[in-house]
Amino acid sequence: DTEVTQTPKHLVMGMTNKKSLKCEQHMGHRAMYWYKQKAKKPPELMFVYSYEKLSINESVPSRFSPECPNSSLLNLHLHALQPEDSALYLCASSHNPAPSPNYGYTFGSGTRLTVV
Amino acid sequence: GDSVTQMEGPVTLSEEAFLTINCTYTATGYPSLFWYVQYPGEGLQLLLKATKADDKGSNKGFEATYRKETTSFHLEKGSVQVSDSAVYFCALFGNQGGKLIFGQGTELSVKP
Repeated sequence: DTEVTQTPKHLVMGMTNKKSLKCEQHMGHRAMYWYKQKAKKPPELMFVYSYEKLSINESVPSRFSPECPNSSLLNLHLHALQPEDSALYLCASSHNPAPSPNYGYTFGSGTRLTVV
Repeated sequence: GDSVTQMEGPVTLSEEAFLTINCTYTATGYPSLFWYVQYPGEGLQLLLKATKADDKGSNKGFEATYRKETTSFHLEKGSVQVSDSAVYFCALFGNQGGKLIFGQGTELSVKP
């Protein structure tokens, strides 16, 4: 298995809703990442998990709450989002926290989130 | 800090034309360099990579050479196809605390 799987692919939520995004990989990667991407812009790093511990939080608002239950799974819990949070949310993984050049990052297909 | 600069798009080419997308970087030491491609409605896919000076990465007819003297990693393809229409991101992984640094992206549109 050489993929990062993200669910759901599309999500529409109201500003008072609570929802979660899920990311899964079975490549034995020990670093996992959440990125936010606006249309035709580069991905912006949100969080990095290294060996299941949060190692980088790029000053992300608390309405986004990451969780790494085990080495294969990464969640992003969403609560009280704003319409400007609508974006493509990408999960990625890498072999280790300082990825070997031989491996790079593997990205999922993303969850397209719309906040209404 | 580390940074990546790409040529601005959109770039529009006819099928079978030659493609160059310029990418230059600023980083200390010897970063690893990557090109990622994002097809419409999809996530990012690693297209090619290079880890040291003068390395040439290649994949699917695309090539890029790591030029330390000009701090560049330009993407080239000899004959583009309609299916190459996508957004291309140049990226580096350097010394900035475990982060992949992206350029702004270049949108390529190939017409039949």
